[in-house]
Amino acid sequence: AQSVTQPDIHITVSEGASLELRCNYSYGATPYLFWYVQSPGQGLQLLLKYFSGDTLVQGIKGFEAEFKRSQSSFNLRKPSVHWSDAAEYFCAVGARAGGTSYGKLTFGQGTILTVHP
Amino acid sequence: EPEVTQTPSHQVTQMGQEVILRCVPISNHLYFYWYRQILGQKVEFLVSFYNNEISEKSEIFDDQFSVERPDGSNFTLKIRSTKLEDSAMYFCASIPGGTFYGYTFGSGTRLTVV
Repeated sequence: AQSVTQPDIHITVSEGASLELRCNYSYGATPYLFWYVQSPGQGLQLLLKYFSGDTLVQGIKGFEAEFKRSQSSFNLRKPSVHWSDAAEYFCAVGARAGGTSYGKLTFGQGTILTVHP
Repeated sequence: EPEVTQTPSHQVTQMGQEVILRCVPISNHLYFYWYRQILGQKVEFLVSFYNNEISEKSEIFDDQFSVERPDGSNFTLKIRSTKLEDSAMYFCASIPGGTFYGYTFGSGTRLTVV
């Protein structure tokens, strides 16, 4: 069964500082990996995704993530955080269920990001 | 850009009442999903639906839940007799099939059971 661990429940950074949010996954093959962001009371916005190929993927809002198979990780990074980045971030793993069907997404517990001015 | 539309955005219902949450997936999408997020918790998979039948369901998706695609455009989640613990944000998602580009989520329906 697939699973996702986000070890940090809450991270606080100062505006302009760099950011790294950790994500570790468990899956038997190469998974599909996603990062979503959610503002309070809002829906899920896709930041970036990894399917195959280049292990460093670029997303929206200046975010990037690196897939490291040896570490089963897909950490999210941003070189300089803006106050508007304050939100909750979810890592998710998905897989082809079999044949032509696509399986479910499994989400991590989320990391709440607070940005201090 | 095409969107997955969910209605209503917020629904309040009394315990024991039936509720239907509605989703309009992107028109050429073939795979449909419902997820829920209890306040302060992670997003959890409920059910996936393809070719007019359930592909996979979680332990959460018990006999109180059902899904259908009644008219080829809407995709609904019905909760027959709501409980307080059904209060959550419910998200619909869809994907086209074929080349996989990722899941498109709707903006969610917040269900409050009182």
